[in-house]
Amino acid sequence: GEDVEQSLFLSVREGDSSVINCTYTDSSSTYLYWYKQEPGAGLQLLTYIFSNMDMKQDQRLTVLLNKKDKHLSLRIADTQTGDSAIYFCAAHGSSNTGKLIFGQGTTLQVKP
Amino acid sequence: GAVVSQHPSWVICKSGTSVKIECRSLDFQATTMFWYRQFPKQSLMLMATSNEGSKATYEQGVEKDKFLINHASLTLSTLTVTSAHPEDSSFYICSARPGGRVGGELFFGEGSRLTVL
Repeated sequence: GEDVEQSLFLSVREGDSSVINCTYTDSSSTYLYWYKQEPGAGLQLLTYIFSNMDMKQDQRLTVLLNKKDKHLSLRIADTQTGDSAIYFCAAHGSSNTGKLIFGQGTTLQVKP
Repeated sequence: GAVVSQHPSWVICKSGTSVKIECRSLDFQATTMFWYRQFPKQSLMLMATSNEGSKATYEQGVEKDKFLINHASLTLSTLTVTSAHPEDSSFYICSARPGGRVGGELFFGEGSRLTVL
């Protein structure tokens, strides 16, 4: 089945760019997602990218998709302390289901 | 945007009791909803896919008699943790996608934190 892997921790200084990386195994996943979770809260969808795209930009967020390497990244420009959270990468379990398989989550720590 | 609401947000119960968690899609119909479980500092684990009007599909290793799922209408799915034990303490999150579409945005509830004493 689908497997999604992320690095567990990233620490940056306020104002720097953050890059969170993710790899997945099922190349048939048509959509790939980035979610944000703040302590004690549910998940907030940040952005998603369709598999036929290489890049998607939304304000401070840039998603890059390398289908050949099955690699997804999320870049946060001008990182703020309010961006401190856990970021989850997610892919579909298989091409024809709606369920998502999540990575382990990357804890982003933003230092002032 | 679409809203998915869970109730209750927090629940504390005694060991051996059953707890019901509701997941509602507030402004759209969802033929399929998904139930996830999250342990502290861990990722989300898909427990089951809730199908309106039919039986839920459980992931491997999830006890269907322990975690009862009912999807009686297009806007409501319930997860009942039966005979709860301390190891069932966890953060339970549901999600749904408008119109049963496969792709596109998947909306998550706020989560329900269960603590079993």
